[in-house]
Amino acid sequence: AQSVTQPDIHITVSEGASLELRCNYSYGATPYLFWYVQSPGQGLQLLLKYFSGDTLVQGIKGFEAEFKRSQSSFNLRKPSVHWSDAAEYFCAVGEDTDKLIFGTGTRLQVFP
Amino acid sequence: NAGVMQNPRHLVRRRGQEARLRCSPMKGHSHVYWYRQLPEEGLKFMVYLQKENIIDESGMPKERFSAEFPKEGPSILRIQQVVRGDSAAYFCASSPVASSDTDTQYFGPGTRLTVL
Repeated sequence: AQSVTQPDIHITVSEGASLELRCNYSYGATPYLFWYVQSPGQGLQLLLKYFSGDTLVQGIKGFEAEFKRSQSSFNLRKPSVHWSDAAEYFCAVGEDTDKLIFGTGTRLQVFP
Repeated sequence: NAGVMQNPRHLVRRRGQEARLRCSPMKGHSHVYWYRQLPEEGLKFMVYLQKENIIDESGMPKERFSAEFPKEGPSILRIQQVVRGDSAAYFCASSPVASSDTDTQYFGPGTRLTVL
């Protein structure tokens, strides 16, 4: 069965530091991969997505993610974190454009 | 272009009552998805609908839960005889019919259901 694993439940970084959030997936075919961000009490905002082509995708708010088929990973990165990036981040895999399978999320805390 | 609209944003029900959650997709979108987020967990797929059709309800509990997306009006997620375990945030997402963006789901702000 398809699944998404986000091994880090909680990450704390200092403002200005670099960030990498890990995501591993299990999917038989070429996956559709997404990263969403959720601020407290809010809905989910799409950061970026990968369908095909260039394995390094750029998103909003300075985020990028790299699809590595050999490692079944789609890690999210940002070179310099801002305090406003504090939120919950969800990785998801799309199953034949039908439903999304979400990871359990990584909560990012940013210290000044 | 307004985003996905959900109402109410917060809903409180007593055990045994009915809860009705509404979702209006983005303009031009005719695919609607419902997800449930339990406290401290990720989102879990419930149901996928197109206008007047349920396409995939594999994530819906077998009893008390139903969903519809009529020809006119919003999509409705209905929970009958609510129990405390139904307390969660319910998110609706929509996607367009035919465009390069077909595979992307856009989420609403959610309805937070509390069952007393």
